[in-house]
Amino acid sequence: DIQMTQSPSSLSASVGDRVTITCRASQSISSRLAWYQQKPEKAPKSLIYAASSLQSGVPSRFSGSGSGTDFTLTISSLQPEDFATYYCQQYTDYPLTFGGGTKVEI
Amino acid sequence: EVQLVESGGGLVQPGGSLRLSCAASGLTFSDHYMDWVRQAPGKGLEWVGRTRNKANSYITVYAASVKGRFTISRDDSKNSLYLQMNSLKTEDTAVYYCARGGSYSPLDIWGQGTMVTVSS
Repeated sequence: DIQMTQSPSSLSASVGDRVTITCRASQSISSRLAWYQQKPEKAPKSLIYAASSLQSGVPSRFSGSGSGTDFTLTISSLQPEDFATYYCQQYTDYPLTFGGGTKVEI
Repeated sequence: EVQLVESGGGLVQPGGSLRLSCAASGLTFSDHYMDWVRQAPGKGLEWVGRTRNKANSYITVYAASVKGRFTISRDDSKNSLYLQMNSLKTEDTAVYYCARGGSYSPLDIWGQGTMVTVSS
């Protein structure tokens, strides 16, 4: 199985901050990486696919980069509605696997 | 509007069975791969399994943790996805989400989830 490792597991930030979350795959996954946002008691929401492509309707302050084994999710200017938990996921091989999550707190 | 709505969750004893459903609307259901993902209380996301579409022979794939106990099926005529869960264990306690997937594609649409509690 491909292991996905996210860091940090949590972070504290303020509105307006630039936030970066990293995700590392245990083997190359090309660019088959997605990022999801999950708010408490809600279903995950797809933000980014193919490592750097924004889903429709996702604000441009979100961006993704990377390929192979190392990936990043960046929020350029954190907004109040961005406080949530973020997960990366590889979809190059079964089983599909998720990172452990990064909780972004105030 | 594309929508996935799960149902069928509840409390079941260890060793018991439960069948979850996922009703899809606003999409051509038969075209898509469909997945189940679960989340234990306070934990991260765990992929459960997938059914491919008719064009790909409805092939199913499962996580090792559920293989042999869970069965994913679909009824394209009813725009519905199912998860039959047998021999349930306490560690199967989780919110179960259905999601739209695809070949080398992310899970782009998710249902709201249904809670399954396995406890005596």
